[in-house]
Amino acid sequence: KNEVEQSPQNLTAQEGEFITINCSYSVGISALHWLQQHPGGGIVSLFMLSSGKKKHGRLIATINIQEKHSSLHITASHPRDSAVYICAVKRGSNQFYFGTGTSLTVIP
Amino acid sequence: KAGVTQTPRYLIKTRGQQVTLSCSPISGHRSVSWYQQTPGQGLQFLFEYFSETQRNKGNFPGRFSGRQFSNSRSEMNVSTLELGDSALYLCASSWGQGVNTEAFFGQGTRLTVV
Repeated sequence: KNEVEQSPQNLTAQEGEFITINCSYSVGISALHWLQQHPGGGIVSLFMLSSGKKKHGRLIATINIQEKHSSLHITASHPRDSAVYICAVKRGSNQFYFGTGTSLTVIP
Repeated sequence: KAGVTQTPRYLIKTRGQQVTLSCSPISGHRSVSWYQQTPGQGLQFLFEYFSETQRNKGNFPGRFSGRQFSNSRSEMNVSTLELGDSALYLCASSWGQGVNTEAFFGQGTRLTVV
């Protein structure tokens, strides 16, 4: 069983829709990252969370340490948000374990 | 401030050959970790270096090795390449190893073994 579970695996949305991606983990963590990967491979870290909630533009990330659960929300989705979103949990030093990713397609 | 730089970006090698990939972290960052991404297995942890010492290693065969230099640049080496080693190899750097130190990822090196 993977230590990090993400859902859904694939998501198609109409432009303007509110999107939620969920991440559950089963191990103790020091922090959680939400990553974005566009075709071509490069990964960008969107958020690093160890508690509570963070907001950056149209993106909001929350984490509940007790429930071992995090969510990434995208408000007013746009076609340029189309990418793979990956939940990564940090254990101890600088070692990450990753979810399988959510492939998001936003249709104009 | 330059980001994490990985070279080369693309590489084609033949089975049985060996390959060396390079990762230059953000200036001042001392921790570098490496990951393999394949369609079947997703992203998997390879190893982590801090101040020239390997701190953790993932579940990969001994054909995968790495090192870190005094300027924090890191290399990973794969010997006796197999077709299954075809993957995107990513590195991430961070200033330290503390709980709240953020990691920054490179663009990756896409290795194709033929």
